[in-house]
Amino acid sequence: DTEVTQTPKHLVMGMTNKKSLKCEQHMGHRAMYWYKQKAKKPPELMFVYSYEKLSINESVPSRFSPECPNSSLLNLHLHALQPEDSALYLCASSPRFGTQPQHFGDGTRLSIL
Amino acid sequence: GENVEQHPSTLSVQEGDSAVIKCTYSDSASNYFPWYKQELGKRPQLIIDIRSNVGEKKDQRIAVTLNKTAKHFSLHITETQPEDSAVYFCAAPKRSGGGADGLTFGKGTHLIIQP
Repeated sequence: DTEVTQTPKHLVMGMTNKKSLKCEQHMGHRAMYWYKQKAKKPPELMFVYSYEKLSINESVPSRFSPECPNSSLLNLHLHALQPEDSALYLCASSPRFGTQPQHFGDGTRLSIL
Repeated sequence: GENVEQHPSTLSVQEGDSAVIKCTYSDSASNYFPWYKQELGKRPQLIIDIRSNVGEKKDQRIAVTLNKTAKHFSLHITETQPEDSAVYFCAAPKRSGGGADGLTFGKGTHLIIQP
């Protein structure tokens, strides 16, 4: 069973739409991450939240806007995306400070028309 | 930041044989090295990890070795089975120095188990 839950599993949107991806974990983890994975490529880090505060932004375009409302939830707000943004978006969490095992959700497969 | 190189990109082995995947890293301060298995259409799944204070770790048919001097680490799978077929990624912390950090991944190895 996946302990990190992502919704929706699939999302198709136009370039002018606004949508949000959601991630939830109930393991008490205090660090949460967004990764982007293109087909046949490794995951690439986008954002890191530690104790609900954004600690790392890997120079991601502003059309991606992360939000961490509480320690269990992580959102990724999408606006005016480009076709090249089509990918699998993975959320992960880890217990706390320092380098800990990261556990991934099943991801949201995003297609931009 | 950290740079991780992974080889080979594809590995085909006979069922029952062993498989070895190798990775090198650039940052000598890196202290944590996980391995993920990703089946087609599924999430990366952590299968084993090692910290820099040990040289080897085993979990049933899977083992990881770490050579800090040479800055490389390897995944060893013995008695391979068809369900071992997947893409395997090595990873290392993107930045050293502690704090909640993300991972940088190798490019992946497609492991094929031939019946």
